[in-house]
Amino acid sequence: SYILTQPPSVSVAPGQTARISCGGNNVESKSVHWYQQKPGQAPVVVVYDDSDRPSGIPERFSGSNSGNTATLTISRVEAGDEADYYCQVWDSTSDHQWVFGGGTKLTVL
Amino acid sequence: QVQLQESGPGLVKPSETLSLTCTVSGASISSGAYYWVWIRQPPGMGLEWIGSFYFSGRAYYNPSLMSRVTVSVETSKNQLSLKLTSVTAADTAVYYCARVLLDVLYFDLWGQGALVTVSS
Repeated sequence: SYILTQPPSVSVAPGQTARISCGGNNVESKSVHWYQQKPGQAPVVVVYDDSDRPSGIPERFSGSNSGNTATLTISRVEAGDEADYYCQVWDSTSDHQWVFGGGTKLTVL
Repeated sequence: QVQLQESGPGLVKPSETLSLTCTVSGASISSGAYYWVWIRQPPGMGLEWIGSFYFSGRAYYNPSLMSRVTVSVETSKNQLSLKLTSVTAADTAVYYCARVLLDVLYFDLWGQGALVTVSS
């Protein structure tokens, strides 16, 4: 089955830029979606289809996908961005499989 | 406004069957525009997709759980159900139901989650 690899943690100072990677074999051929999860809450999508933002998500959240790595970029990081972030793809090669990365804890210093 | 609400026992004994229901309000679970999905998250760990159901009657399962899981719908009650057999402590988790829009294949709506603990 398809595997997505994320760093366990990323730390960044307020106002700086955070980049969270999501690695997978030829992941650029898939659409990558990103979720933010705060403690005690259900995840919320912040980027879908590699780089699109749902309504209500700040422009500070952006995404890219190239080669074997997709990246979630959070610009001008705020304390409220501290959360776990998960990437996700739909793997059509394995008969409708939804796959999550292991998650990355973003700490705002 | 579409809402998803999970319900079921919060405590299940080892070797027994975990059963959960997700009630969908504000939308028809028979809509061909969505998959309806179960996802779980063990305490302090990441998200794991369990299985999905499409209105055509087809279900799709995580290979790691396929031998123990059944996802189905009861259209008359607008409910999605999950059954997981032969549970162990490793099945202790928050269980979420969620919706996937057919065209974009991401989870655009989630329930609040239900904690199920497996313990004797």
